[in-house]
Amino acid sequence: QVQVVQSGAEVKTPGSSVQVSCKISGDTFNTYAISWVRQVPGQGLEWMGGIIPVYGVTNYAQKFQDRVTIIADKSTRTANMKLSGLKSEDTAMYFCAHGEINGYDYTWCPYWGQGTMVTVSS
Amino acid sequence: SYVLTQSPSVSVAPGETARISCNGNNIGSKSVHWYQQKPGQAPVLVVYDDNVRPSGIPERLSGSNYGDTATLIISRVEAGDEADYFCQVWDTTGDCMLFGGGTKLTVL
Repeated sequence: QVQVVQSGAEVKTPGSSVQVSCKISGDTFNTYAISWVRQVPGQGLEWMGGIIPVYGVTNYAQKFQDRVTIIADKSTRTANMKLSGLKSEDTAMYFCAHGEINGYDYTWCPYWGQGTMVTVSS
Repeated sequence: SYVLTQSPSVSVAPGETARISCNGNNIGSKSVHWYQQKPGQAPVLVVYDDNVRPSGIPERLSGSNYGDTATLIISRVEAGDEADYFCQVWDTTGDCMLFGGGTKLTVL
């Protein structure tokens, strides 16, 4: 059974950066995709981007591609998401999701982390 | 870019059938996945590949996908089914994962 554990809550000031980490255990790390999905309070799910560790390939949503960096460390089975240029509108819950792939395409996400709350405030 | 549209809310009485729709241009040509999210919790995958249930998901939940509409069907609705439900696809044109806006299921 795959387990996904994320780092703890963060409070940041506008203009700064935040890094959220996600540790995977219980299954093969390389042959899946790791997606980062955020949820502004009271709103829906929004995919930010992801990485397929076995290929080292990243995909980013157009909305975030100038501000987000996703990396994976196969040795520690950890994926990290860094979001820069933070604004108050980035205050949200950030989820890491471990998902199946079909070649280079992402499919569904059976395993999710508990979420990391990031608050951006001056 | 590709867009998934869901009705904001659906209300049903206990024991009845809830149908939650997800509309997109020719969505029937894509694989659709559904998540249930309860307040304060992470999403849970309840149907994948249009109509496959993960282990542990009750048979009361099923899915269909044809034409421009994918549907999550919850039979014999229970109070515990009250949650937000999101549809999801992978957009091969934009190489991005897309979610519908979500539907809040209220059990009357």
